[in-house]
Amino acid sequence: GENVEQHPSTLSVQEGDSAVIKCTYSDSASNYFPWYKQELGKGPQLIIDIRSNVGEKKDQRIAVTLNKTAKHFSLHITETQPEDSAVYFCAATGSNSGYALNFGKGTSLLVTP
Amino acid sequence: NAGVTQTPKFQVLKTGQSMTLQCAQDMNHNSMYWYRQDPGMGLRLIYYSASEGTTDKGEVPNGYNVSRLNKREFSLRLESAAPSQTSVYFCASSRDRGRSSSYNEQFFGPGTRLTVL
Repeated sequence: GENVEQHPSTLSVQEGDSAVIKCTYSDSASNYFPWYKQELGKGPQLIIDIRSNVGEKKDQRIAVTLNKTAKHFSLHITETQPEDSAVYFCAATGSNSGYALNFGKGTSLLVTP
Repeated sequence: NAGVTQTPKFQVLKTGQSMTLQCAQDMNHNSMYWYRQDPGMGLRLIYYSASEGTTDKGEVPNGYNVSRLNKREFSLRLESAAPSQTSVYFCASSRDRGRSSSYNEQFFGPGTRLTVL
């Protein structure tokens, strides 16, 4: 089945700096790659996603890039703010996994003022 | 719209007890899911229901049963709870499921924190 690896597990940046989280996946048939943000005591919430026919997608301070050949995708957060502090999860899905979301183990991001 | 709601928010059980976690969504979604979240393990799929009347096993189904009661509700049952089932349980829903669908976004509930002693 699909295996999603996520790095780093923890990340600390200063307010205003950029943060990058990277994920790799194993199943070349995967074609949908969402990123979720989970705040303390809450359920995960989708922040951005990308499909396999697109190489990059941007939404204000958040961007995701996808390299299908290398089977990796990354989340980029620019001009970080303290409210960006949360756990971020990447996921991948496709036909081989029955369209189930396979999640990475998460990155705990801390943005210090 | 309330989105995805889960009850209870917290529960403590003794080993061997049974309980049912309830989940409901008001977004008219076809697909519903149950995940468990353990420290350092991310989210793992227990069971899912692609549409009303169907259920399928996910990655970690052992020790659980599910019921898709109707389009809105999807319950998770622990028949004989074990300490290994101590976890945070999340229910999620999506409009659809599949390669051609543009509605794969999953919406999560707030979670149920379960402790089995």
